[in-house]
Amino acid sequence: QSALTQPPSASGSPGQSVTISCTGTNSDVGRFSAVSWYQQHPGKAPQLIIYAVNRRPSGVPDRFSGSQSGNTASLTVAGLQAEDEADYYCSSYAGSNNYVFGTGTKVTVL
Amino acid sequence: DVQLMESGGGLVQPGGSLRLSCAGSGFNFNEPYMDWVRQAPGKGLEWVGRIMTKAKNYSADYAASVKGRFTMSRDDSKNLLYLQMNSLKTDDTAMYYCIRDWFTTLYNWGQGTLVTVSS
Repeated sequence: QSALTQPPSASGSPGQSVTISCTGTNSDVGRFSAVSWYQQHPGKAPQLIIYAVNRRPSGVPDRFSGSQSGNTASLTVAGLQAEDEADYYCSSYAGSNNYVFGTGTKVTVL
Repeated sequence: DVQLMESGGGLVQPGGSLRLSCAGSGFNFNEPYMDWVRQAPGKGLEWVGRIMTKAKNYSADYAASVKGRFTMSRDDSKNLLYLQMNSLKTDDTAMYYCIRDWFTTLYNWGQGTLVTVSS
């Protein structure tokens, strides 16, 4: 199972929006509506911020949104804040009790 | 609140074994599937394995990189998840996270336990 493809980095100024892509195949992203996004600050465990493509867990600000088109999912962070600077990973259920992760994107708030 | 706490990490020599534990609280431990995910230092996330429930005979599946060397188990009476790791390699050096799996989402994560494989 190959890793999902994410851009290594993304950046934006405070208040701007940034969008991160996550490209898989029709065996994972394109087959299941089961893409999740995780935020990871340095030295901390990943935290779920989007699941089932576009759903937010309780407590996650609505500045975070997800979408999907075909084999590519996207995470948009609107109204960037300093605390949004972190690594972001996508993942997808890939069937047969398997998950696959994205390569990760480092978001910098300029 | 859901809480997951891993333990059992440490330094082990190549070829050695280690058993990680994960204690869960704040939810009905016997209900969800459970997973392990690892992260090598400075690297990305890698799914390790998933164990199902008693209703599914505690069936488990593993990533190709650990299949045949790692074994997941669970003791629902004690709210504990285990990862038995044998024939460890230097490439297995990583932070290991225990995760509550909820409808094909790796929903709740523990804080992790660090495994270092080195001579």
